[in-house]
Amino acid sequence: EIVLTQSPGTLSLSPGERATLSCRASPIVSSNYLAWYQQKPGQAPRLLIYGASSRATGIPDRFSGTGSRTDFTLTITRLEPEDFAVYYCQQYSSAPLTFGGGTKVEI
Amino acid sequence: QVHLVESGGGLVKPGGSLRLSCAASGFTFSDYYMSWIRQAPGKGLEWVSYISGTGSSINYGASLKGRFTISRDNAKSSLVLQMNSLRAEDTAVYYCARHSGGYFEPFDFWGQGTLVTVSS
Repeated sequence: EIVLTQSPGTLSLSPGERATLSCRASPIVSSNYLAWYQQKPGQAPRLLIYGASSRATGIPDRFSGTGSRTDFTLTITRLEPEDFAVYYCQQYSSAPLTFGGGTKVEI
Repeated sequence: QVHLVESGGGLVKPGGSLRLSCAASGFTFSDYYMSWIRQAPGKGLEWVSYISGTGSSINYGASLKGRFTISRDNAKSSLVLQMNSLRAEDTAVYYCARHSGGYFEPFDFWGQGTLVTVSS
């Protein structure tokens, strides 16, 4: 099983600031089969990034993903009020499919 | 547009059973892998099970230990999760989600979820 560890658990920032979220995998995620999701209270998750760095349809370019193998990063360059949410990474390179524990981005 | 609607959640006693359904529309259902994913109250996401477009490939999370069964009816664009021997720790919102293509794809569309509460 691929274990994904997200850090920090909570990120306290202000609108306009830059957010950097980490996702570490053990063992490696092959072929960069790593996705990021955003979840707001009471809502289903929304796909932001797939293939470690490709933005999903309709996702603003302030969201970007980088990384490979064991270290992945989601960056939000300028936080908008609607970006305050919980973010999860997920690997889809091998079963069982697994998620990280999440990072809450709060004001 | 793609639409996924779950139903069948509710309150069930420990040891009981429940059948969840997910009605899909807006895409050719049989072309896509589908999964169930759950989220316990205040907790993170946990993948439960996936099924291939034809139903020939199925897998489950290790914690389920044979208690859950996933199936699909492509003629009705419907996904089903049969849950037996339910435990308190199965309490969660259950989402159905579409893989964006085959197995090695992320979840591009999610339903709004259905709440399952296991309690005496």
